[in-house]
Amino acid sequence: QVQLQESGPGLVKPSETLSLTCTVSGDSITTSYWSWIRKSPGKGLEWLGHVSYSGGTSYNPSFKGRVTMALDTSKNQFSLKLTSVTAADTAIYHCARHVRFYCGSVGYYPLDYWGQGTLVTVSS
Amino acid sequence: DIVMTQSPLSLPVTPGEPASISCRSSQSLLHTSGCHYLNWYLQKPGQSPQLLIYLASNRAPGVPDRFSGSGSGTDFTLKISRVEAEDVGVYYCMQAQQTPWTFGQGTKVEIK
Repeated sequence: QVQLQESGPGLVKPSETLSLTCTVSGDSITTSYWSWIRKSPGKGLEWLGHVSYSGGTSYNPSFKGRVTMALDTSKNQFSLKLTSVTAADTAIYHCARHVRFYCGSVGYYPLDYWGQGTLVTVSS
Repeated sequence: DIVMTQSPLSLPVTPGEPASISCRSSQSLLHTSGCHYLNWYLQKPGQSPQLLIYLASNRAPGVPDRFSGSGSGTDFTLKISRVEAEDVGVYYCMQAQQTPWTFGQGTKVEIK
């Protein structure tokens, strides 16, 4: 059974960097794509971006260069860093795995397994 | 960004009765592959979201056949043929046609 678990500080000061780690069990991070999604009262669910099995990334332009994602294959983990945080970044942060299906011969990668989420509050 | 709009936002249901949720996108979700890049998720109370439907009409493995997805272009529907008590939670549609991927606001389904 695939399981994902987020970890990191629950409180971050304004202007500082939010750092989270997702530990994956039951699958290797070298075999799929991995995303970060957050849920806040003001904006609902937001996709922040994903990192591929090879370390390639795709980010949501809304975060204007503040976001970085990376793999740590030695620990089967992947990470999120969000810089220059404000109160608007207060949210529950989820990590998630992409599963591969096909449309004809074209691969399609929706999110399937999600972590339970971790609440990060931005406050001084 | 593609805007996803769900309706209704709240849906009281009676066990054994059908239920339907609508999702509209601000742009067509038809991909050049010929499929519609639309997913449905259910977040049960206290749990993380689970994938129900992918490519608009395909049930994910393990999803009961009372759940079905349909639609094309910009209009999509999730139907539950006979609601069970375990189906309560918040349902989200999500588009993967264009980055950034975006979600609907969510539809809260609760038992009457």
